[in-house]
Amino acid sequence: DGGITQSPKYLFRKEGQNVTLSCEQNLNHDAMYWYRQDPGQGLRLIYYSQIVNDFQKGDIAEGYSVSREKKESFPLTVTSAQKNPTAFYLCAARRYPTGELFFGEGSRLTVL
Amino acid sequence: AQSVTQLGSHVSVSEGALVLLRCNYSSSVPPYLFWYVQYPNQGLQLLLKYTSAATLVKGINGFEAEFKKSETSFHLTKPSAHMSDAAEYFCAVHFGNEKLTFGTGTRLTIIP
Repeated sequence: DGGITQSPKYLFRKEGQNVTLSCEQNLNHDAMYWYRQDPGQGLRLIYYSQIVNDFQKGDIAEGYSVSREKKESFPLTVTSAQKNPTAFYLCAARRYPTGELFFGEGSRLTVL
Repeated sequence: AQSVTQLGSHVSVSEGALVLLRCNYSSSVPPYLFWYVQYPNQGLQLLLKYTSAATLVKGINGFEAEFKKSETSFHLTKPSAHMSDAAEYFCAVHFGNEKLTFGTGTRLTIIP
């Protein structure tokens, strides 16, 4: 079954801790994206990667880090430097050339 | 600047009534256009897409959208609303760069 798999679905973290959200795809798409969604707001781009071993900052990259060592995987680390990390995080992969995104089910991070 | 505007952050319709969700974009070049639906605590699911073929695009769950170049619009419609249509809807546009630009979303409520 093809798609985007995000884990964990729910995550609780204490202040000051780093946490890594997993994103795996078997769609064979080159480009992958991380978005943040807050209640009542749209999607804000955190980071994206168009090819293995390369990634670019989005609109709200501060306090986050990513890696892209394999085409299938694009993990996101929420660091202790992120001042307000409680949010819903969405990972996606993009089809070329039409550009539509395929999303995972999301990961909800709550900082206690 | 390239932008996507969704008119109305909240729309309420009666069950069985017409659903109309509005989306306008800023671009002189016809882009690729998409509508996504998001149910609570889930990722975004592609409803339909326009990729320069027929201007009237049919999607899943009885939804359709019409691309009007002269109005730079891509409004989403459904002839008869169902309770299961209650969700948040996002219009998105691929302007030809590496990102997808999203509108801020419209929350659709169905009144029994």
